[in-house]
Amino acid sequence: EPEVTQTPSHQVTQMGQEVILRCVPISNHLYFYWYRQILGQKVEFLVSFYNNEISEKSEIFDDQFSVERPDGSNFTLKIRSTKLEDSAMYFCASTLTSGGETQYFGPGTRLLVL
Amino acid sequence: QQQVKQSPQSLIVQKGGISIINCAYENTAFDYFPWYQQFPGKGPALLIAIRPDVSEKKEGRFTISFNKSAKQFSLHIMDSQPGDSATYFCAASTRGQTGANNLFFGTGTRLTVIP
Repeated sequence: EPEVTQTPSHQVTQMGQEVILRCVPISNHLYFYWYRQILGQKVEFLVSFYNNEISEKSEIFDDQFSVERPDGSNFTLKIRSTKLEDSAMYFCASTLTSGGETQYFGPGTRLLVL
Repeated sequence: QQQVKQSPQSLIVQKGGISIINCAYENTAFDYFPWYQQFPGKGPALLIAIRPDVSEKKEGRFTISFNKSAKQFSLHIMDSQPGDSATYFCAASTRGQTGANNLFFGTGTRLTVIP
């Protein structure tokens, strides 16, 4: 069964450093999402992406964050200058179509900012 | 407005019992209500979902009950099994202008099923 993959599984970085989290959505999916989950808390929406541009973004997704689909398969989340509070599990998700289709989540990248 | 409130925070049920998790929402524009199951170290996986035009949806041992007027929905797990032990998240979404379907999650319920 097709699945969303994410790399790396774990990332440790120093505060102020840039990190890029990578996702490979399911191949024929059209809508892509990033969510984050701070340890022990709920999953929070960050950004949605469709047709090579941001569809919607949350208040969390400030100027330090950016997303890109550099080729036909990868979907990346960049944090330009990491802060301690960026430490979380970051999940990528994708759907084939709009409006209520199942969002398939990747296994996540655990980011630790020291 | 985008908040989804979930209770209880944790739940312990005997094997064979019924697990009930409740959620409430404010935004009447929400039109899709999924439940996700998450095991430690894994991403959330869709369990079952409902739209507001029906009051109940059943898939195997899992049932969603939906009360549109009260803006509440709940997950019932019948004949709960130890393998059901996981964290359960309710969520809600509405379709954005481009069709993207951003999910707003509840705070999660950690279910433990005792053998």
